[in-house]
Amino acid sequence: KNQVEQSPQSLIILEGKNCTLQCNYTVSPFSNLRWYKQDTGRGPVSLTIMTFSENTKSNGRYTATLDADTKQSSLHITASQLSDSASYICVVPTTIDDKIIFGKGTRLHILP
Amino acid sequence: DAGVIQSPRHEVTEMGQEVTLRCKPISGHDYLFWYRQTMMRGLELLIYFNNNVPIDDSGMPEDRFSAKMPNASFSTLKIQPSEPRDSAVYFCASSPQLAGGPETQYFGPGTRLLVL
Repeated sequence: KNQVEQSPQSLIILEGKNCTLQCNYTVSPFSNLRWYKQDTGRGPVSLTIMTFSENTKSNGRYTATLDADTKQSSLHITASQLSDSASYICVVPTTIDDKIIFGKGTRLHILP
Repeated sequence: DAGVIQSPRHEVTEMGQEVTLRCKPISGHDYLFWYRQTMMRGLELLIYFNNNVPIDDSGMPEDRFSAKMPNASFSTLKIQPSEPRDSAVYFCASSPQLAGGPETQYFGPGTRLLVL
């Protein structure tokens, strides 16, 4: 069964600290993996998109990694800011039936 | 471009009433998606259209839900009759191409629905 599991469910860190969010997937065949940031009350915004041949991709203070062998991805946030408080959603589309599998997200809270 | 536009932004209604959510995709995008998001279930794809034609509605929870796209610039999601468990945020998104390749879906601001 195609699934995307994210951990932790929620995370609280102090401003300025780093953190890493995890995404494990069982979607097959694999085409690409995306991380979205969703601010409260707003739609998700794409952070990174990685294909199976890409191991890492950065977008400012956000760095996503992908291990297609173990089917794991991580999103690392460096020097967190208060504006990073949001939900981070891992998304993996399928290619066979063109469905999109969403993780339930990690809710990140940055404290001053 | 103003991005994906959804209306209303908030809707409060009573159980049994009909609810209609509206979406205007980004001009030139051939794909339109309707999503539902709750704390318990996360983000769920309900249905998507390609060139105004519904392609996959397997995510539509039941017959009370229906979606239409009469033209390239307008889509509706209707719930009739509404139930309290339908309370959620409903997002519309559009994209120039389908998932399966590197692409980005552009999400609207969502409609927050509360059914009492």
